[in-house]
Amino acid sequence: GENVEQHPSTLSVQEGDSAVIKCTYSDSASNYFPWYKQELGKRPQLIIDIRSNVGEKKDQRIAVTLNKTAKHFSLHITETQPEDSAVYFCAARGDGSGNTGKLIFGQGTTLQVKP
Amino acid sequence: GAGVSQSPSNKVTEKGKDVELRCDPISGHTALYWYRQSLGQGLEFLIYFQGNSAPDKSGLPSDRFSAERTGGSVSTLTIQRTQQEDSAVYLCAGGGSSYNEQFFGPGTRLTVL
Repeated sequence: GENVEQHPSTLSVQEGDSAVIKCTYSDSASNYFPWYKQELGKRPQLIIDIRSNVGEKKDQRIAVTLNKTAKHFSLHITETQPEDSAVYFCAARGDGSGNTGKLIFGQGTTLQVKP
Repeated sequence: GAGVSQSPSNKVTEKGKDVELRCDPISGHTALYWYRQSLGQGLEFLIYFQGNSAPDKSGLPSDRFSAERTGGSVSTLTIQRTQQEDSAVYLCAGGGSSYNEQFFGPGTRLTVL
């Protein structure tokens, strides 16, 4: 089955700097890769996603890149703000073809943005 | 409703007791998932429903765990004879289909003493 590895586990940046979180996946058939932000005690919220027919997607300060050959994808946050502080999870659709749509999650990255 | 809801928000139980956790997905969302989040960990897939049937139960950790869904809407996750290792946040998520994004509920924090 699918396995997703996420790095780093913690990341601390100064306000205004960029933050990059990386994930690798094992199943070359996986075709959907969402990123979720989870604030303390809150539900995970989808912030951006990318499908395997696209190499990059951007939404304001957030971008995701996908390298299908290397089986890795990354989240880039530019001009970080204190409210970006949260735990970020990457995920891959765990059954490749998407018949069930179940997501396999990385272990999470705790991002701290220092003012 | 405005989003996915779950109840109770918190549940404390004694080892060996049975618990039921409820999920109300967004109306019309046919795909429903249960995940488990242990302290400081990522989310672990438990079970997937499409309508009322569960074509993928591969994530259920033992036969003490079961789930059902009725009317293509509300789902209940039941844990029998709870153990301390069952302590976690149980999250459900729904989607328009298995191909669409998943919207998460707030979770039920289960503590087994």
